[in-house]
Parts: sequence; C-alpha cells; structure tokens
Amino acid sequence: AQSVSQHNHHVILSEAASLELGCNYSYGGTVNLFWYVQYPGQHLQLLLKYFSGDPLVKGIKGFEAEFIKSKFSFNLRKPSVQWSDTAEYFCAVKNYGQNFVFGPGTRLSVLP
Amino acid sequence: DTAVSQTPKYLVTQMGNDKSIKCEQNLGHDTMYWYKQDSKKFLKIMFSYNNKELIINETVPNRFSPKSPDKAHLNLHINSLELGDSAVYFCASSQGAGEFTEAFFGQGTRLTVV
Repeated sequence: AQSVSQHNHHVILSEAASLELGCNYSYGGTVNLFWYVQYPGQHLQLLLKYFSGDPLVKGIKGFEAEFIKSKFSFNLRKPSVQWSDTAEYFCAVKNYGQNFVFGPGTRLSVLP
Repeated sequence: DTAVSQTPKYLVTQMGNDKSIKCEQNLGHDTMYWYKQDSKKFLKIMFSYNNKELIINETVPNRFSPKSPDKAHLNLHINSLELGDSAVYFCASSQGAGEFTEAFFGQGTRLTVV
C-alpha cells in the first residue's frame, strides 16, 4: 500500500528565510502528487499539484514543488517565507483508482 | 458558495451516544470521502464512496457508517461514541477516483466525546 513520509515534524524559520519541506512516497507507477496547507483552525487547501509534464510545478502564494521520479520525492519550496505561512503542510499522493494518501504533516512556524 | 460543507462544525457529546455529521458538496463530484484527523494532525482515510462502490478502511470500527442519499451527500453516522473518537472529521470530494483529480475539503467537524 502507498505510504507518504515527510522529513520534518516541525520547522521553525524566521521571516524571509527559504523553505524546503521534504516528501517521499513508497509506491511508484503513475502518481498524482499534492501539497495541501492547513492554517490554524481551518480546513485543508490545495497549494499545488502535479499530474504530468514539467516536474517543477508552481502553486499559490509563491510555493513551488519539484517531482523527482527516481527519488520518489516531491519537495515543497518557497524562497522567502512570511509570518502568514505559519501552518501545517501535508504532502499527498494518489495512485489511479486509489484514495488520497496523506503524509503525517509538517508544522511550519515562521517567527516575525 | 461553499464547495464542500459540513455540519455541525463543533459537536460535544457524551460517551455512548449516537451522532451524525452531514456533508454536502455542490461541485458535481462523484466521489466523496471521510477523513479523521487525530490530535497529532495525522489524516487517515475512513471511507470513500462514488455512488457505485463504498470502500471502507478495514481499521475503521463498524460503529462508523457512511450514508449517501445521493451523490452530493455523504453523511457519517457514529454509534456508541467512545472517548477515542474525539478528533476532527473532514469530508472531501473529487471528480472520479482515477487520475488528474484533486480533493476538495470541507471545514471539518471537531467532535469531542466526554
């Protein structure tokens, strides 16, 4: 069964620092990849998604992610974080005909 | 208009009670899901349903049952509530169960069992 791991449980950064959150999945084949963000007390919102094509995908709010098939990875990046990026970030993977499988989440705290 | 809406947003109830959480989506999607988010924020799939097939996560107790009156609704019924059922429950929907589809989430229902 598909599983998703995220490298960091909690990341603390100062404003303007660069961000990279790691995500790896276990099962190959054709995958759809996602990053969702959950702001405190809110629901999950889609940041970006990869279905096919260019492995570097751009999402909302200046986020981007790179799909590296050989490494089963889909890392999230942002060159300069803001205090408002403080949230929980979830990587998710979907194989054809299967459910969305979420990683355990990475909590990002951005210090003003 | 809210794409995926859940009611209630908060639910506090005593052990042993039976409760329901409602979910409706107006996106025209044909697949709906229920996820449980525990206190450590881990999201676990409970059910997926696409009006043809119900897929149940085998680890979900049979006290939990989904009910779908039509493809726009997937309600969650919970019998004999236990303390460990306290969590945030998210409903989601997507167009199909295949490829090239993303999940849209509701606002969540915070269930507290006392």
